Amino acid sequence: DAKTTQPTSMDCAEGRAANLPCNHSTISGNEYVYWYRQIHSQGPQYIIHGLKNNETNEMASLIITEDRKSSTLILPHATLRDTAVYYCIAASNFGNEKLTFGTGTRLTIIP
Amino acid sequence: GAVVSQHPSRVICKSGTSVKIECRSLDFQATTMFWYRQFPKQSLMLMATSNEGSKATYEQGVEKDKFLINHASLTLSTLTVTSAHPEDSSFYICSARDPQGYTEAFFGQGTRLTVV
Repeated sequence: DAKTTQPTSMDCAEGRAANLPCNHSTISGNEYVYWYRQIHSQGPQYIIHGLKNNETNEMASLIITEDRKSSTLILPHATLRDTAVYYCIAASNFGNEKLTFGTGTRLTIIP
Repeated sequence: GAVVSQHPSRVICKSGTSVKIECRSLDFQATTMFWYRQFPKQSLMLMATSNEGSKATYEQGVEKDKFLINHASLTLSTLTVTSAHPEDSSFYICSARDPQGYTEAFFGQGTRLTVV
């Protein structure tokens, strides 16, 4: 897996959009960008993934730069339940490939 | 989405005993499952890759004789912590990816192991 770099922590006001950046400058052509989050004492939860096009689902939007060296996860209207550690991972979509977790970003939503 | 179920969610055992943790893929066949360990305030660290019908592949520094992995069916992998010691106390998490469906990995809810 390509190495990813994320800020250690971020705060965001409740109701505002939370924008979480991720740098993956060594990502290879067949690697997707996956985002997961982990709420305290739970297993990671899948959020979204993409290859090169921007993606949106009911949880979030993923913006990937044209050169694919970085991306931003957007939570459009953050709530207190979005407080978690967010992990950005670059990996292929093969079913037998492991996911390697970095340190992630601890996002705190402020009331 | 697909579901991965892990059991038990919490276990306390005495030092020197063994503990088995189960990981099941509920609606897809997982030829490969992954086992992670997470210490407090740290990220998930991959311990081993569990392959159905064959030996697990362990990451460097993980003792294969201490952490026994069995993946006897396409929906079940087990991790047995043998002769547990207090330093084995940790949060253990399993994961699986559907080789014929979703590209994302699904994670169990984790097992909090406390060795006393």
